[in-house]
Amino acid sequence: DAMVIQNPRYQVTQFGKPVTLSCSQTLNHNVMYWYQQKSSQAPKLLFHYYDKDFNNEADTPDNFQSRRPNTSFCFLDIRSPGLGDAAMYLCATSRVNQPQHFGDGTRLSIL
Amino acid sequence: KQEVTQIPAALSVPEGENLVLNCSFTDSAIYNLQWFRQDPGKGLTSLLLIQSSQREQTSGRLNASLDKSSGRSTLYIAASQPGDSATYLCAVRDLRDDKIIFGKGTRLHILP
Repeated sequence: DAMVIQNPRYQVTQFGKPVTLSCSQTLNHNVMYWYQQKSSQAPKLLFHYYDKDFNNEADTPDNFQSRRPNTSFCFLDIRSPGLGDAAMYLCATSRVNQPQHFGDGTRLSIL
Repeated sequence: KQEVTQIPAALSVPEGENLVLNCSFTDSAIYNLQWFRQDPGKGLTSLLLIQSSQREQTSGRLNASLDKSSGRSTLYIAASQPGDSATYLCAVRDLRDDKIIFGKGTRLHILP
């Protein structure tokens, strides 16, 4: 099945140690999104790409960066994770104005 | 600024009953509204998407309605089953800034 795949499912890192989360898609969608979701909260959009055009949300901390080397892959880099960055990170894809398709997420823990 | 609200935050219903989940949004200038299901520890599964020009969408036992002028959407689940237990989120794509805004969800528990 075509899908959105996030690796790893669970990631543990140390306070301040850089970490990268990955997302790949076989849907050939031109839009890719990264969301942060904390327990019992709504997903919060961090940034998204329209093709190669990067769109950062105004309140996304500088600590969060993203790369999209090609249509299929998108990465979330957290340069210096703090305890407050522990959350589920969700990747989604879509065509413009079409339904979003989500991966299963990566749950990030900070020691 | 667009805000999306889902009430109640949690709901328990006996198996077999029909039920309605509510979603409201503050700005009617939207492209579309989407309903999702989220199982514990998982990502979101898209259930239904309603374009701003549409009034409802149906898929199996699910029916979603949209009243853009009043800023409301409902998700109707017929003949509920224990497997329907999950958190249901709605999200609108805002017309003014093209952002997707989520509600916090309704946690649904179907009692066997």
